[in-house]
Amino acid sequence: GENVEQHPSTLSVQEGDSAVIKCTYSDSASNYFPWYKQELGKRPQLIIDIRSNVGEKKDQRIAVTLNKTAKHFSLHITETQPEDSAVYFCAASIDNAGNMLTFGGGTRLMVKP
Amino acid sequence: DVKVTQSSRYLVKRTGEKVFLECVQDMDHENMFWYRQDPGLGLRLIYFSYDVKMKEKGDIPEGYSVSREKKERFSLILESASTNQTSMYLCASSLLIPAEPGNEQYFGPGTRLTVT
Repeated sequence: GENVEQHPSTLSVQEGDSAVIKCTYSDSASNYFPWYKQELGKRPQLIIDIRSNVGEKKDQRIAVTLNKTAKHFSLHITETQPEDSAVYFCAASIDNAGNMLTFGGGTRLMVKP
Repeated sequence: DVKVTQSSRYLVKRTGEKVFLECVQDMDHENMFWYRQDPGLGLRLIYFSYDVKMKEKGDIPEGYSVSREKKERFSLILESASTNQTSMYLCASSLLIPAEPGNEQYFGPGTRLTVT
């Protein structure tokens, strides 16, 4: 089955700096890659996703890049703010509708004011 | 606004007890999921259901069973709880055929289960 590795497990940045979280996946058939954010004590919520026919997607301060050849994808957050502090999870799915997700282990991002 | 609710936020059970975790969603979603969340391991899929009375095993189904008698309700059952099932359990729901290219899974608040 699919295996998703996520690095780093913790990341501390100064407010205003950029943060990058990287994930690798094992199944070349995976074609849908969402990112979820989980604030402390709250439920995970989708923040951005990308399909394998797209190399990059941006939404304001967040962007995701995908390298199908290398089987890795990354989340980029620019101009970080304290409210970006959370645990971020990447995931991959071989299901076209993104139903069956395999999640990475999570990255705890801390943005210091 | 999608609402996924879980029957308990915190639960303490003894080893060997039968445990029921209930999840209800109000968005008429076909898909429902049960995950467990452990530090460093992310979210691991236990079971998935895409329709009433249908179920599919996820990555870690051992020691668990599920029931989906109604579209809005998905139950996770621990037949004989063990200490290694102490964890946070998250339920989620989504559309079977998404309207957009993505397909967000909407999560419940979680149930923190402690088995002593």
